[in-house]
Amino acid sequence: QKEVEQDPGPLSVPEGAIVSLNCTYSNSAFQYFMWYRQYSRKGPELLMYTYSSGNKEDGRFTAQVDKSSKYISLFIRDSQPSDSATYLCAMSATAGGYQKVTFGTGTKLQVIP
Amino acid sequence: EAGVAQSPRYKIIEKRQSVAFWCNPISGHATLYWYQQILGQGPKLLIQFQNNGVVDDSQLPKDRFSAERLKGVDSTLKIQPAKLEDSAVYLCASSLVWRGREYNEQFFGPGTRLTVL
Repeated sequence: QKEVEQDPGPLSVPEGAIVSLNCTYSNSAFQYFMWYRQYSRKGPELLMYTYSSGNKEDGRFTAQVDKSSKYISLFIRDSQPSDSATYLCAMSATAGGYQKVTFGTGTKLQVIP
Repeated sequence: EAGVAQSPRYKIIEKRQSVAFWCNPISGHATLYWYQQILGQGPKLLIQFQNNGVVDDSQLPKDRFSAERLKGVDSTLKIQPAKLEDSAVYLCASSLVWRGREYNEQFFGPGTRLTVL
């Protein structure tokens, strides 16, 4: 079983739709939960992160973490064509005094104008 | 602020040849990472440096991959000899030293796309 599972998609939605992206994980030691966005032929860039369980909102983006279910989500409201990208969930745990980050496989999102 | 620089951007080689990638991190970032991203997969950590010391190379195939970070600044990743399954994007990232409080954001370079024929 992989430590982090993510549906690869692709996910295609019309402009203005609400998008829900999800990941599950198995390692209880994960403390920080991140969402990265990766445009084609670019490196990933951090969208937002949360610590432990709870919600965090940043503009049109909301991240949710449910540690009891080992489940995290990213919601995108009023999706735009510019949101078309691959979204990677990532989680970190401490190991030997360092952060170790594990990425999901990524979900490819296409927002149709 | 300049981002993480990587070169070359693209490389095509034949199997059993050797190849090297270069990375220059953001100024002041002591931690440097090399990731391998196979098409359709997420980045997989190959090696993590803090300054010029290795802190994690548990997933580095040491029989063919090597990496160094002399002087604690830029870094090179080498593959010798390459195999077909090494075809991937090699991403370099850097971050500040983790102080144990907040998540340490990793800043990624554009990657080097390697094709092994």
